[in-house]
Amino acid sequence: GQNIDQPTEMTATEGAIVQINCTYQTSGFNGLFWYQQHAGEAPTFLSYNVLDGLEEKGRFSSFLSRSKGYSYLLLKELQMKDSASYLCAVLDSNYQLIWGAGTKLIIKP
Amino acid sequence: NAGVTQTPKFQVLKTGQSMTLQCAQDMNHEYMSWYRQDPGMGLRLIHYSVGAGITDQGEVPNGYNVSRSTTEDFPLRLLSAAPSQTSVYFCASSYQDSHSGANVLTFGAGSRLTVL
Repeated sequence: GQNIDQPTEMTATEGAIVQINCTYQTSGFNGLFWYQQHAGEAPTFLSYNVLDGLEEKGRFSSFLSRSKGYSYLLLKELQMKDSASYLCAVLDSNYQLIWGAGTKLIIKP
Repeated sequence: NAGVTQTPKFQVLKTGQSMTLQCAQDMNHEYMSWYRQDPGMGLRLIHYSVGAGITDQGEVPNGYNVSRSTTEDFPLRLLSAAPSQTSVYFCASSYQDSHSGANVLTFGAGSRLTVL
């Protein structure tokens, strides 16, 4: 079966750096997405990786290793507004999105 | 440009009742989809459409119907609600991200449905 694993919850301190990991086992791979979802709101797109390596976008970076079936989202200079769930999703060989259950990130002052 | 608009935001139904969740987008996106989100689980695709007049089933289609008569509208119908359909429902349309070239989903605000 297809599977996406992420930690359920993480806690970090304002101003610090946090890394949210995502491992996947899917039938084929056509890209990996990270979305942010604040409580009670819709998911919003953060990043996309299809080749190995690091994609940087401001305070957020996303890394992909296709051979290891592994990605991480790195958030720097954490702000209270970064408290949210972070969803990892993989596009499989049929171009269907397989979603992880999400990682709830709690930021403490 | 309103984006993806979903109504209602909240709804309580009794088992066996029917209802329609409305979804409209004004971005001329061809691809639209419906997801449900349940605690501890990833988003699950219910139905999707790649253009007006074309719909297809996703991962969990049972108990739901859709239609796509126009590019803008993609309603989701619950024919006979069951407690297992208690969930948060998201409608989404797809656009191509200018930076990555990826087809990215933009979601409506969600509809929280409770079936008693």
